[in-house]
Amino acid sequence: LAKTTQPISMDSYEGQEVNITCSHNNIATNDYITWYQQFPSQGPRFIIQGYKTKVTNEVASLFIPADRKSSTLSLPRVSLSDTAVYYCLVGTGGFKTIFGAGTRLFVKA
Amino acid sequence: NAGVTQTPKFQVLKTGQSMTLQCAQDMNHNSMYWYRQDPGMGLRLIYYSASEGTTDKGEVPNGYNVSRLNKREFSLRLESAAPSQTSVYFCASSEAQVGDEQYFGPGTRLTVT
Repeated sequence: LAKTTQPISMDSYEGQEVNITCSHNNIATNDYITWYQQFPSQGPRFIIQGYKTKVTNEVASLFIPADRKSSTLSLPRVSLSDTAVYYCLVGTGGFKTIFGAGTRLFVKA
Repeated sequence: NAGVTQTPKFQVLKTGQSMTLQCAQDMNHNSMYWYRQDPGMGLRLIYYSASEGTTDKGEVPNGYNVSRLNKREFSLRLESAAPSQTSVYFCASSEAQVGDEQYFGPGTRLTVT
């Protein structure tokens, strides 16, 4: 199972774009890259998933370089409500899903 | 459509007591999971059920048992609670195992004294 490394915490201000980078040097050919968001006292919530290049949905964008050894979650114009923990997961999903400690994002007014 | 529901929301046990955490999903998902989350940590997989009738150990199964009662319900049992099992427990489900996003319940906060 691929191990991931991401910053422990990040600070931002409302309206800014936030980029959270995750390193996964030993990603396997069949692995997906998935990001979850977790608010205090709630279960994680799926944000976005990708395999290569760029994926965009209504919430975020995910950038994956050609070597797939890292990925960047981009949150456009964050608000206070985006304060949460963001988890980067690499694997084929299901029982092979490993949650690390995540990145705590603090959005300030 | 309630998604994934868990009961109870909170529970306090004394060391040695037993209890069962209940989980149900109404999305007709095949796979279900139990995780625990300790303060400031990520989630760790306790047990999972790839499909109705099957269960398998995850990363931290010791001290727990599970039952996949039917396609909707997946319960977690603590036979003899220990203080080390104080944690928040999350149940999740997904349509399949590979590549599918997981949907999480609201969690059960368990304290063992």
